[in-house]
Amino acid sequence: QKEVEQDPGPLSVPEGAIVSLNCTYSNSAFQYFMWYRQYSRKGPELLMYTYSSGNKEDGRFTAQVDKSSKYISLFIRDSQPSDSATYLCAQGPDSWGKLQFGAGTQVVVTP
Amino acid sequence: DSGVTQTPKHLITATGQRVTLRCSPRSGDLSVYWYQQSLDQGLQFLIQYYNGEERAKGNILERFSAQQFPDLHSELNLSSLELGDSALYFCASSVVGSGGAPGELFFGEGSRLTVL
Repeated sequence: QKEVEQDPGPLSVPEGAIVSLNCTYSNSAFQYFMWYRQYSRKGPELLMYTYSSGNKEDGRFTAQVDKSSKYISLFIRDSQPSDSATYLCAQGPDSWGKLQFGAGTQVVVTP
Repeated sequence: DSGVTQTPKHLITATGQRVTLRCSPRSGDLSVYWYQQSLDQGLQFLIQYYNGEERAKGNILERFSAQQFPDLHSELNLSSLELGDSALYFCASSVVGSGGAPGELFFGEGSRLTVL
C-alpha cells in the first residue's frame, strides 16, 4: 500500500466550477501536508501547504486536512482553464526533507 | 524558473544501454532528490543526497546509481536499460531545515527518457 493515495483522474470540469481533490495517507508521523501543481512538460511546484489539521486559504485555493480520517483535500473555486494541470498531494518532511507524494490527479478545466 | 537545471531534457536510447542524467541544484541548496514519474506509478522517490552524502533510498533499482559531487551537482546513472525505464526523471533540491515552506522541494523540468 502506498503511503499517500490519490485518484489519478482525469477530472474534467467546466470553467467557473469548484474543483475538489482528495488524498488519503497512512503514516501519521508527518505534520505537513502539501499540494504541488504540475503543468504539462514542467516540474511540480509548491502550491500551498498546511500544518497538522485545519484549513488554509490562498485566493481561490483552500487546503484542508482531517487527521482523524487521514484525509487531505484541495478545493479550487471559480476554476479557470489556466488551472488545468496535475495536482499532487504530499506529506512530510522526514528529517532530511523528503516528501511522500500521491500519484497526482489530472484536472482539465474547459472554457 | 525554479533554479534547478536538468540535462538532457530528452533522451532516446536502446535497451541495454547506459545513460547519465545531470542535475544542478538551486544555489545554496545542499539536498538533491531524484524522482521518477511514470503514468502508472506517479512520482516515485529514488534517492537523496545531502552535501555529497547519500541520505535516503527509495525504490531505486540496482541498475541505477547516483552521486553528488563537491560542487553539489548530481548525476543519476541508469544502466542495462529496459523498456520499463522509460519515464520522466526529476531532480529536486531544497535547503533542509531552514527557510521557505517546510518541506518545499524545487523541481527541475525533468529529463524525459525513452527506451526503445
